[in-house]
Amino acid sequence: GAGVSQTPSNKVTEKGKYVELRCDPISGHTALYWYRQSLGQGPEFLIYFQGTGAADDSGLPNDRFFAVRPEGSVSTLKIQRTERGDSAVYLCASSSYVAGDEQYFGPGTRLTVT
Amino acid sequence: GDSVTQMEGPVTLSEEAFLTINCTYTATGYPSLFWYVQYPGEGLQLLLKATKADDKGSNKGFEATYRKETTSFHLEKGSVQVSDSAVYFCALTPRGAQKLVFGQGTRLTINP
Repeated sequence: GAGVSQTPSNKVTEKGKYVELRCDPISGHTALYWYRQSLGQGPEFLIYFQGTGAADDSGLPNDRFFAVRPEGSVSTLKIQRTERGDSAVYLCASSSYVAGDEQYFGPGTRLTVT
Repeated sequence: GDSVTQMEGPVTLSEEAFLTINCTYTATGYPSLFWYVQYPGEGLQLLLKATKADDKGSNKGFEATYRKETTSFHLEKGSVQVSDSAVYFCALTPRGAQKLVFGQGTRLTINP
C-alpha cells in the first residue's frame, strides 16, 4: 500500500510569511508525528497525535508553530511569521496504535525561508 | 532530558570490512532503542530495534545489543557492502512516551 506522503516536497518562502505543510499518513494509522531535521543533524521531535488530539506537543519550539489533524487522518503543520532559522526538512511519520510500533517516515518537506 | 550520542562521522570503509558505529544514550528508566537508516534519495526507515536490556536487534546482517550497564546500543556488521552506504541514526523512545529522540547521525561510505 501507499506510504506516508508529504506535500509540497519543497517550499521556498520569504521571512515573515505563513506556510502550511501537509502530511498524509498510512491508511489506518492512528498515530502521527512531526519532526524537524536541520542540516547535518538528526530529526527533532515536534508533536505527536493520537487520533485527532495532540497527545504530546512538547517539541513545538514556540507559539508560531501549530499543527492540526481534524479528522484523525491528514495533518497540517502551520508556521506563522516564518524566520530564517525555521529552514529545515520537516518530516512526518505514522504508526499503528500499538505502543512502540514502528514509525514509518515520509520523504519530508524541505522548507527554505529567505 | 533523554539524549543519544553517536560516533562522529563520516566513516569510510572498504567493501567487506567490519563495521562498528558507537551509540550511547541517557534516559530515565528503560527506553526502547532503535537504529534508523537513510539511503541516498530515500526516507528514513527502521533498520532494527531492541526493547529491553540484553535484547539483540538484527536485520540485513546488522546487529545491535541493548547494554543497560554501559547505556549503549552499538551497531555492527561483519562484512559491509557498497549498498550499505547511507546515513545511520541511533534513536530511543523514552519509557511511557511515543516520540523518537535521535542522535546526530553517522554518514557511512563503502568503497569497492
